[in-house]
Amino acid sequence: QKEVEQNSGPLSVPEGAIASLNCTYSDRGSQSFFWYRQYSGKSPELIMFIYSNGDKEDGRFTAQLNKASQYVSLLIRDSQPSDSATYLCAVSFQKLVFGTGTRLLVSP
Amino acid sequence: EPEVTQTPSHQVTQMGQEVILRCVPISNHLYFYWYRQILGQKVEFLVSFYNNEISEKSEIFDDQFSVERPDGSNFTLKIRSTKLEDSAMYFCASSRGQGATGNTIYFGEGSWLTVV
Repeated sequence: QKEVEQNSGPLSVPEGAIASLNCTYSDRGSQSFFWYRQYSGKSPELIMFIYSNGDKEDGRFTAQLNKASQYVSLLIRDSQPSDSATYLCAVSFQKLVFGTGTRLLVSP
Repeated sequence: EPEVTQTPSHQVTQMGQEVILRCVPISNHLYFYWYRQILGQKVEFLVSFYNNEISEKSEIFDDQFSVERPDGSNFTLKIRSTKLEDSAMYFCASSRGQGATGNTIYFGEGSWLTVV
């Protein structure tokens, strides 16, 4: 059984701070790693994907992957109240397996 | 930007009735998926579809469920004899490929199914 684990939160950060979201996965054969953002009642929206060990930056977002530790993280710099949402980690070999998501609250 | 479209956005049905949820995947995508999310729970994989056949299905996807690509653009999920526990948001998704790269999966806005 492939598992993806996330802390459900909520993770509360003040506006302008760095939010750090973490995820671990069980299947060492996983090849692709995704972060989606989901607002309440809406569909998952892709933020970033990462395939290789190390860091990948896109604007205010940085994804980090450590395959040896089976660990993926997402850093959000200069957090904004509009970033308040649930962040879903998803891991893929062929299909996506989602974690339960971490709820992020950014206070003004 | 191309997107996955789903209809209806919300459907209320009586227990025991059949429901068909419809999706139009992104036009150059080859892999199609259905996921569901029960309120307050995580997004769960139901089925993947490629080359006009099911490529993988989860244990949730039992004989009550079926998928079809009736023409070149639509992809449908049929739920026979709905149960109360089928109430959920159903997401259609598509991707260009599978495997390590090129397999970014894009989701539709979802169809919210309420079984009463």
